[in-house]
Amino acid sequence: DGGITQSPKYLFRKEGQNVTLSCEQNLNHDAMYWYRQDPGQGLRLIYYSQIVNDFQKGDIAEGYSVSREKKESFPLTVTSAQKNPTAFYLCASSNAETFDTQYFGPGTRLTVL
Amino acid sequence: DAKTTQPPSMDCAEGRAANLPCNHSTISGNEYVYWYRQIHSQGPQYIIHGLKNNETNEMASLIITEDRKSSTLILPHATLRDTAVYYCIASAGAGNNRKLIWGLGTSLAVNP
Repeated sequence: DGGITQSPKYLFRKEGQNVTLSCEQNLNHDAMYWYRQDPGQGLRLIYYSQIVNDFQKGDIAEGYSVSREKKESFPLTVTSAQKNPTAFYLCASSNAETFDTQYFGPGTRLTVL
Repeated sequence: DAKTTQPPSMDCAEGRAANLPCNHSTISGNEYVYWYRQIHSQGPQYIIHGLKNNETNEMASLIITEDRKSSTLILPHATLRDTAVYYCIASAGAGNNRKLIWGLGTSLAVNP
């Protein structure tokens, strides 16, 4: 089945530790995105990548880092510099012709203790 | 970038049509209206989008007013599984800076 996978679904970390969230897609999409969602809020864009080896900051990039070494993979690292990392993280992808039609993974709920 | 306004919540009886309104009075001529929905604790799901004309697919219909200042998403026969938050988004940016701006959406409760 084609789609986007995110792992793990739930993640717990101690304060001060970096953590990497996985996102893989087999839709052959060029563009990939990372969003953060806090309770009762809409999605906020962290980073996006429209092509391999290139990515741009979104609206809330501070404290996060990404890489795009392969077309199908776009991992997100939440660093210790992120002041409030506890949130629901969503990865999405889209093709180059219709960037705004995005397909989402199931999300990773990160809790920092 | 056009901003959208949606009611925070709506109710609908199962089997009836759900009509979800969205205001986007500042939308520009080249901005599309997109609808997504998010079932609790899941990733959002694309529903439909349109520019000027009404659109229909297997999930829903999108009615856009002639002046493009508002639109309505119609779920023709709502089921309990349609209970979700529905987001109306005007596509923002151009070229390499395109991004979606997500508001708080409308929480739709479909009741038995």
